[in-house]
Amino acid sequence: QKEVEQNSGPLSVPEGAIASLNCTYSDRGSQSFFWYRQYSGKSPELIMFIYSNGDKEDGRFTAQLNKASQYVSLLIRDSQPSDSATYLCAVRGDYKLSFGAGTTVTVRA
Amino acid sequence: DTGVSQNPRHKITKRGQNVTFRCDPISEHNRLYWYRQTLGQGPEFLTYFQNEAQLEKSRLLSDRFSAERPKGSFSTLEIQRTEQGDSAMYLCASSDGQGSTDTQYFGPGTRLTVL
Repeated sequence: QKEVEQNSGPLSVPEGAIASLNCTYSDRGSQSFFWYRQYSGKSPELIMFIYSNGDKEDGRFTAQLNKASQYVSLLIRDSQPSDSATYLCAVRGDYKLSFGAGTTVTVRA
Repeated sequence: DTGVSQNPRHKITKRGQNVTFRCDPISEHNRLYWYRQTLGQGPEFLTYFQNEAQLEKSRLLSDRFSAERPKGSFSTLEIQRTEQGDSAMYLCASSDGQGSTDTQYFGPGTRLTVL
């Protein structure tokens, strides 16, 4: 079992719709959870982090964390073509990040 | 805050050659990390420094790989006797180590191609 698993893509959504990305993790000792966006050929760019159960909103992005279910999600509201990228879920224990394989999102104009 | 920088951005080498990459972290970040990413996968942890001390090396880091962070500033990652399987994007990240909000910021990466 992989440490971090993300829903397989690719995910195609129309412009203006909500994109929903899911992530589960195996290590119950994980402390913090991150979503990174990665454009093709570029390095990961931090979108947001969450470390408490519940929801955290930042602009059009909402992260949700449920530690009991070992589940993290990211919602992208009012999706724009510029949101087309691979989204990486990352989980941190003491210091290092463990990443999922990523979910590729394509926003159709 | 100029961000994490890495050099070179691209490196093409022949199998068996040695290569060295450099990472300059965000100033005053005491933690520095190296990751490797291959196509279609998320980054995989290689090694981690707290100031100048290398505190963990992944099993992915064979004896051909060595990393240093002299004086707790920039870091270098050297690969000796490169193999085709070493072809990947090598990513450096840094963080300030501040508890649960400790967040890693990535550099642009060095893309290595071994022919």
